[in-house]
Amino acid sequence: EVQLLESGGGLVQPGGSLRLSCAASGFTFSNFAMSWVRQAPGKGLEWVSALSGSGGSTYYADSVKGRFAISRDNSKNTLYLQMNSLRAEDTAVYYCAKCLQPGPPAYFDYWGQGALVSVSS
Amino acid sequence: DIQMTQSPSSLSASVGDRVTITCRASQGISNYLAWYQQKPGKVPKLLISAASTLQSGVPSRFSGSGSGTDFTLTISSLQPEDVATYYCQKYSSAPLTFGGGTKVEIK
Repeated sequence: EVQLLESGGGLVQPGGSLRLSCAASGFTFSNFAMSWVRQAPGKGLEWVSALSGSGGSTYYADSVKGRFAISRDNSKNTLYLQMNSLRAEDTAVYYCAKCLQPGPPAYFDYWGQGALVSVSS
Repeated sequence: DIQMTQSPSSLSASVGDRVTITCRASQGISNYLAWYQQKPGKVPKLLISAASTLQSGVPSRFSGSGSGTDFTLTISSLQPEDVATYYCQKYSSAPLTFGGGTKVEIK
């Protein structure tokens, strides 16, 4: 059974940093691209970033480019999102999502339960 | 970047009604389109990929169609458990943009 478990969310001040983790199990992690998708309170889904199975190709939404960094450790079956220079508008639930193939672009067949990130002073 | 526009943003229909949701891409995306269902307080669930391929376990009352720039998600007979927000997503290239969502309620 595929499982994705996010951690690392919390309250951070504007300008601060946070690192999200997503522990994956139930599939061969390195064979699939992974992504982060966020959802602000009461709003729709917004794709944030994606990373190929090998980790060699990364993709970012314009809204986070230069501030966020996606990475993975295939030996630990874990996906990361390093978030720097956080803004109030980054407040959202961040979902880890599994892509259906090794490289983006792709759609998402499994989602984690989400990690809440709140940016406020 | 390609924009994805869903319509309507919300709808209310009776049980048993046929419901159609539209998703329009600002440029052609072939059939690289997925549909998701997100029930209140829940995680999104993949319904359809490649514009019309129903995922395993998804009820057959759901169907998708379209290619290029215009796509539709149809619920042939709306059921109470279909109350949710539905999102389209294009995956022809990054950014992997979602539509704004369509909230479906029971009248």
